[in-house]
Amino acid sequence: DGGITQSPKYLFRKEGQNVTLSCEQNLNHDAMYWYRQDPGQGLRLIYYSQIVNDFQKGDIAEGYSVSREKKESFPLTVTSAQKNPTAFYLCASSISVVISGRSEQYFGPGTRLTVT
Amino acid sequence: AQSVAQPEDQVNVAEGNPLTVKCTYSVSGNPYLFWYVQYPNRGLQFLLKYITGDNLVKGSYGFEAEFNKSQTSFHLKKPSALVSDSALYFCAVRDMGMYSGGGADGLTFGKGTHLIIQP
Repeated sequence: DGGITQSPKYLFRKEGQNVTLSCEQNLNHDAMYWYRQDPGQGLRLIYYSQIVNDFQKGDIAEGYSVSREKKESFPLTVTSAQKNPTAFYLCASSISVVISGRSEQYFGPGTRLTVT
Repeated sequence: AQSVAQPEDQVNVAEGNPLTVKCTYSVSGNPYLFWYVQYPNRGLQFLLKYITGDNLVKGSYGFEAEFNKSQTSFHLKKPSALVSDSALYFCAVRDMGMYSGGGADGLTFGKGTHLIIQP
């Protein structure tokens, strides 16, 4: 899982509550990403950030928010507006903006969120 | 738009036999192609990538993949399977033409193939 940490590993919340998932990397990577994984659907991009204080929506950003105040941190908030938030969430990073198109992404261990 | 297809949900192979996990892609330009492996309740681990050059790419744990432009395929292979290779495998693509000026969009992933190696 490289130098990316995600906490907690398991998270349980009641419907209607916002929840924030942590992602920290010590790889000195510029770019960071959040993906959602559901069984049989692969990974879908939620948000990504190329540089501090900048981020872009991915394919399924509705109901989620992010911040990038520090290079090493990219927390994801799952809001009450997200219709189906129960999933496995993966954070990733890649080396630099200039070459990140051809560089591999390094993934954290994931957070499994269950909302009831 | 870019897309990836992994036509097999599951592949079963006997230990010691060669294995192949199939991947086909669609991009408007030239592709960057990646293979990742995921063990249960874990993050993804990078195996190998094709950027340019030799069509046969060698990666971690004895895996290799062959880029075939005419068939738009990037199948993952290993000459002799191990029980420990059992996992979920993902193929991913990014359109090279989108990144002439830099950029860091996410990868497009296939839905994954469960590889089961039987002792």
